[in-house]
Amino acid sequence: DTAVSQTPKYLVTQMGNDKSIKCEQNLGHDTMYWYKQDSKKFLKIMFSYNNKELIINETVPNRFSPKSPDKAHLNLHINSLELGDSAVYFCASSQDSSGSGLFGQGTRLTVV
Amino acid sequence: GIQVEQSPPDLILQEGANSTLRCNFSDSVNNLQWFHQNPWGQLINLFYIPSGTKQNGRLSATTVATERYSLLYISSSQTTDSGVYFCAVPPQGNTPLVFGKGTRLSVIA
Repeated sequence: DTAVSQTPKYLVTQMGNDKSIKCEQNLGHDTMYWYKQDSKKFLKIMFSYNNKELIINETVPNRFSPKSPDKAHLNLHINSLELGDSAVYFCASSQDSSGSGLFGQGTRLTVV
Repeated sequence: GIQVEQSPPDLILQEGANSTLRCNFSDSVNNLQWFHQNPWGQLINLFYIPSGTKQNGRLSATTVATERYSLLYISSSQTTDSGVYFCAVPPQGNTPLVFGKGTRLSVIA
């Protein structure tokens, strides 16, 4: 019974392609997040959604577009992928908006 | 913005040894979390600990909010404790987590 699940777990794609990462939580949490972990293991918030509404949008290229069809899902779409987008992307959810919550297993994106 | 600093950055332990990891933060917070990222990349919640002390098996954590630091204790370390330990805080009441850079722990048999 996975609480926060991301798909796919691994994604290898060529520069210039468009790809999506899906995230679903079955906890009934109100807030969902996307974090990016770079090659130095540094974790940083990208987006935060509360009840399907965008509440945080850090300095992220507009090639990244989150979409929340309902409060249990927050998908991340990336256009025109670049080499520098290679990273591990984590989805998370929490009951409030404080970020305290559970993380998905991560999606390792490799752009070649 | 808030700064979160962890020390040491790297730690190598012999199996069975004890260790203390430290997290300093630059501003008042209403929560603090410790995570373990295992060698497979999975992020696992260890503690929510805005203040006081909590224990879970061989791990315990103490946060002294007034002095803006938290400590994670690992006793009788095992090779399965290897990985990166992160602390993270929400800068204000309703904001996402800001992570420290982590402590990379290697426990050798």
